[in-house]
Amino acid sequence: QQQVRQSPQSLTVWEGETAILNCSYENSAFDYFPWYQQFPGEGPALLISILSVSDKKEDGRFTIFFNKREKKLSLHIADSQPGDSATYFCAEGGSALGRLHFGAGTQLIVIP
Amino acid sequence: GPKVLQIPSHQIIDMGQMVTLNCDPVSNHLYFYWYKQILGQQMEFLVNFYNGKVMEKSKLFKDQFSVERPDGSYFTLKIQPTALEDSAVYFCASSWGLGGGEQYFGPGTRLTVL
Repeated sequence: QQQVRQSPQSLTVWEGETAILNCSYENSAFDYFPWYQQFPGEGPALLISILSVSDKKEDGRFTIFFNKREKKLSLHIADSQPGDSATYFCAEGGSALGRLHFGAGTQLIVIP
Repeated sequence: GPKVLQIPSHQIIDMGQMVTLNCDPVSNHLYFYWYKQILGQQMEFLVNFYNGKVMEKSKLFKDQFSVERPDGSYFTLKIQPTALEDSAVYFCASSWGLGGGEQYFGPGTRLTVL
């Protein structure tokens, strides 16, 4: 049973556009939602995260919008750059738990 | 930034053999994790480890799996014996704290069981 769902599976945008990656979850017990960025041949690296008490988190060109009522969140990448081309994973975790549950990822391609 | 190293990057073994995957976590981290990713699927939690003990494990962490970190050296995942379904990429991660603390991931070990 997949607890974290991501869409789309693949996304192609032009350089300079805003890429929007979506994520939904099922278990309300989790309160920590990180997004990880992964380049081929490397491990995932934390990009940005949000706690469920917030509805928005911004870090440079990256913004998470969080809707607790609908159990949805999205990652917006403004002014997309070719170097942003990677796979992005949404995950859920808890302050008292170590494990992270990952989605299947969105592969982002930014065309120059 | 902090790096987690994994050795080897790729391992090919015959079904039934034993394999040990090695992880060199970030030096001051206290919590250690293994995740498994089958090709084309999401990464799935296997186990976490703290203070010499398994804290939590998933149903994927079969009886054939074991973890240890002897004398603060490598954090290891041992599979004995291996099965075909163990073929996957195994990611090690470490963190200073739990939950909202950032987990740093290694580049993964691709295990192929023939």
